[in-house]
Amino acid sequence: AQRVTQPEKLLSVFKGAPVELKCNYSYSGSPELFWYVQYSRQRLQLLLRHISRESIKGFTADLNKGETSFHLKKPFAQEEDSAMYYCALMRTDKLIFGTGTRLQVFP
Amino acid sequence: DVKVTQSSRYLVKRTGEKVFLECVQDMDHENMFWYRQDPGLGLRLIYFSYDVKMKEKGDIPEGYSVSREKKERFSLILESASTNQTSMYLCASGSQGQGRFEKLFFGSGTQLSVL
Repeated sequence: AQRVTQPEKLLSVFKGAPVELKCNYSYSGSPELFWYVQYSRQRLQLLLRHISRESIKGFTADLNKGETSFHLKKPFAQEEDSAMYYCALMRTDKLIFGTGTRLQVFP
Repeated sequence: DVKVTQSSRYLVKRTGEKVFLECVQDMDHENMFWYRQDPGLGLRLIYFSYDVKMKEKGDIPEGYSVSREKKERFSLILESASTNQTSMYLCASGSQGQGRFEKLFFGSGTQLSVL
C-alpha cells in the first residue's frame, strides 16, 4: 500500500538545537513528496517539495530512495518553528498525508 | 492571494441530522478536496473532484457524499450525522500543471461537533 509514516507524534527541542522530523514512505513508482506546516491558528500550507530542492525558512528535506525517507531538517531551531508538520505523498494526483509531528521549540 | 473559504468555522449538529459543509475557492482551480483532520490520525481524504459534476472517493468516503455543481464550489454532505464524524474538516483546492497540481491551498477548516 502507498503510505506515509511519521513515527513521532511530538518532538521537543530547545532553541538553537538541530531538528529532524522523520518521514518514511511506501510507493512503487517515483515518489513526489511534500512537507506541509500548520502554525497555531493558521491554515495548513505548503512548506517545501522535493522536486524544488529548495530551502524554506531554513528547512531542507532530501529524498533518500534507498531508505524511502524524506526527513525534514533544520540546523538551528527557532521558537517560531513550533507547529504541526505533515509529510505528504502524491498518489495518482491526490495528496496523501502522514499523521503529523508536533514540533515544540522551547526558549 | 488564493482564497479557499469554508462557510462555517464551528458547527454543532445532532445525531441523524443532514449536514452541509460548503467550500468556495476563487482561483479557478480544477481540483478540490475534502479532508478530515483528527489528532493522531493526520489528514484523511474523504472525497475529491477534478471537474464540475465529477467526484471520486477518497480513503474514507463512508457516510459522506459531495456535490460540485459549479467549478468554484465543493460541498461535503453528511447524510445522517453520527458522533464518530465529529472532526475538523478541511477543504483544499489546487490547479493542474503538466498533469499534476503544484500545491494545495487549504481553507481554515470547519470544526464539526455531532452530539
